[in-house]
Amino acid sequence: AQSVTQLDSHVSVSEGTPVLLRCNYSSSYSPSLFWYVQHPNKGLQLLLKYTSAATLVKGINGFEAEFKKSETSFHLTKPSAHMSDAAEYFCVVREDTGYSTLTFGKGTMLLVSP
Amino acid sequence: EAGVTQSPTHLIKTRGQQATLRCSPISGHTSVYWYQQALGLGLQFLLWYDEGEERNRGNFPPRFSGRQFPNYSSELNVNALELEDSALYLCASSSTGLAGVTGQFFGPGTRLTVL
Repeated sequence: AQSVTQLDSHVSVSEGTPVLLRCNYSSSYSPSLFWYVQHPNKGLQLLLKYTSAATLVKGINGFEAEFKKSETSFHLTKPSAHMSDAAEYFCVVREDTGYSTLTFGKGTMLLVSP
Repeated sequence: EAGVTQSPTHLIKTRGQQATLRCSPISGHTSVYWYQQALGLGLQFLLWYDEGEERNRGNFPPRFSGRQFPNYSSELNVNALELEDSALYLCASSSTGLAGVTGQFFGPGTRLTVL
């Protein structure tokens, strides 16, 4: 079985400061991991994905995430927050077996202040 | 390239009625997924269709059903609507068997309100 835990429901940062959104996963098989972003009244957009290649994954808009198997973590980071980064972020896991589906975390709301 | 489209944008129904939501995947994608995003419950997987067949189903009652047409578009039907069915329903698509590699691409959603 697979599951994902986003450790913070809300994260507040100031514009220009680093962003860290934490995610831990559980999977019985080799997982694929994703981060999606959802801006208000918009659909979900894929930020980045890990699929057993390089453990440091670079995504769009300056975001990156590092897969750490020993810690079962896939934290999302960005060196410098921008006002437009304010949105809800979802960590997602998928076991690479059979007709497995995506399991979403409950989301982390990122608030960016001027 | 057109993204995933959903219709209608908003849908208002009363308890006991039936709702039909529609989704058109990205051209070339054969898998369609449905999710429910209810307030306080996060995103929950509903149904997965691939090549016209139901491949997987989430933990939802049978009154949630759907189908996939030969052109890979899909329909979600919710019968005997209940107040707690009020939510944003998201559709996503991917190439067959590659959702774990490419990820799924989401539409803007249909906001269903049950009064």
